[in-house]
Amino acid sequence: AQSVTQPDIHITVSEGASLELRCNYSYGATPYLFWYVQSPGQGLQLLLKYFSGDTLVQGIKGFEAEFKRSQSSFNLRKPSVHWSDAAEYFCAVGRNDMRFGAGTRLTVKP
Amino acid sequence: KAGVTQTPRYLIKTRGQQVTLSCSPISGHRSVSWYQQTPGQGLQFLFEYFSETQRNKGNFPGRFSGRQFSNSRSEMNVSTLELGDSALYLCASSLASGTPNSEQYFGPGTRLTVT
Repeated sequence: AQSVTQPDIHITVSEGASLELRCNYSYGATPYLFWYVQSPGQGLQLLLKYFSGDTLVQGIKGFEAEFKRSQSSFNLRKPSVHWSDAAEYFCAVGRNDMRFGAGTRLTVKP
Repeated sequence: KAGVTQTPRYLIKTRGQQVTLSCSPISGHRSVSWYQQTPGQGLQFLFEYFSETQRNKGNFPGRFSGRQFSNSRSEMNVSTLELGDSALYLCASSLASGTPNSEQYFGPGTRLTVT
């Protein structure tokens, strides 16, 4: 069965610091992997996606993620966090029946 | 290009009633998926429609149903509402289903409160 684990429920980083959000997945076939961001009261915005090919994918807002098949991971990174990045981040696996992780809430300290 | 739109944005219903939510996908998108988001269960997949056919269904009771029209607009219906149905219902559309160009774009959601 497909599933996604985001081990960190809440992360706090200082503005300007680097960020890494963890995601581990379980999927029977070649996974389609996604990262979404959700601001309070809003829908989900797609940050980036991985289908195949280059394992390092670039997304919007300066985010990137690396697919590591051997570790079943798809961690999200950003070299320098901005206050506007404070939101909830969701990793997802699947196709049109996506399974989402529980989310990681990011707080950015000034 | 306009994004995914959902109506209504907010809804308050009483236990036992039924409700219909509407979703208009991005122009040209043929797949619509529905998700339920609650604080306790997180984001859960309800069902997906592609070209008016239900392609996938999540693990929800039969009270939850949906349909898709020929213009790709979709509705979901919940009958005999329970308090636990209070949630944010999100609709997502994509060009295709199950292929590499099937990334989903989400609407703002409908906030349903059952009293």
